[in-house]
Amino acid sequence: QSALAQPASVSGSPGQSITISCIGSSRDVGAYDHVSWYQQHPGKAPKVMIYDVTSRPSGVSNRFSGSKSGVTASLTISGLRAEDEAEYSCSSYSNFNTLNYVFGTGTKVTVL
Amino acid sequence: QITLKESGPTLVEPTQTLTLTCTFSGFSLTTSGVGVGWIRQPPGKALEWLALIFWDDDKRYSPSLRSRLTITKDTSSKQVVLTMTNLDPVDTATYYCVYRSPSYLLEFGGPGTLVTVSS
Repeated sequence: QSALAQPASVSGSPGQSITISCIGSSRDVGAYDHVSWYQQHPGKAPKVMIYDVTSRPSGVSNRFSGSKSGVTASLTISGLRAEDEAEYSCSSYSNFNTLNYVFGTGTKVTVL
Repeated sequence: QITLKESGPTLVEPTQTLTLTCTFSGFSLTTSGVGVGWIRQPPGKALEWLALIFWDDDKRYSPSLRSRLTITKDTSSKQVVLTMTNLDPVDTATYYCVYRSPSYLLEFGGPGTLVTVSS
């Protein structure tokens, strides 16, 4: 199975909004609402920012929001802050070959 | 609080077998829907899902690595072990142990362990 496709990089100025796309297929993103987004700072483990397409774990800022349309999931960060600069990866449940998980290619977010 | 800690060798020679242990706390691997899995990340590259073992001993593997992976659990010791055979330098990565909740979410709870494959 192929990794979910994400743009390599996205940038924005403080206060702006940015959106990261995650393109899958009818066997993963298009088939399930179990899409998650992870934030990863250098040298750190990934942290869940969004799960089940739109849900936020307790403690995650409401500046982070998720959505899905067809085989494309999206993460939007509004009111961009310096601390949002990190790598972001999507993940989806998948039925390719067997029920499993697939991750995205990762997107580097730069705050200008 | 859910915590997971990965342990294993930091350096492995090509063709050798890698054995990684995940020791967890804060949940039970006998709870319906719960699983523990492994994910890796080569330096500077994307996350890659490897394997998952469920509370009922159901096991799932990455289709591309299935032939090289074995995952087992010791519920009483709160440990999950991943074995990967025939290592190659491209297997150099940070290996993470993750908690799979009954709601399908994968949560990272440990720092990961960097494994380098080199002679």
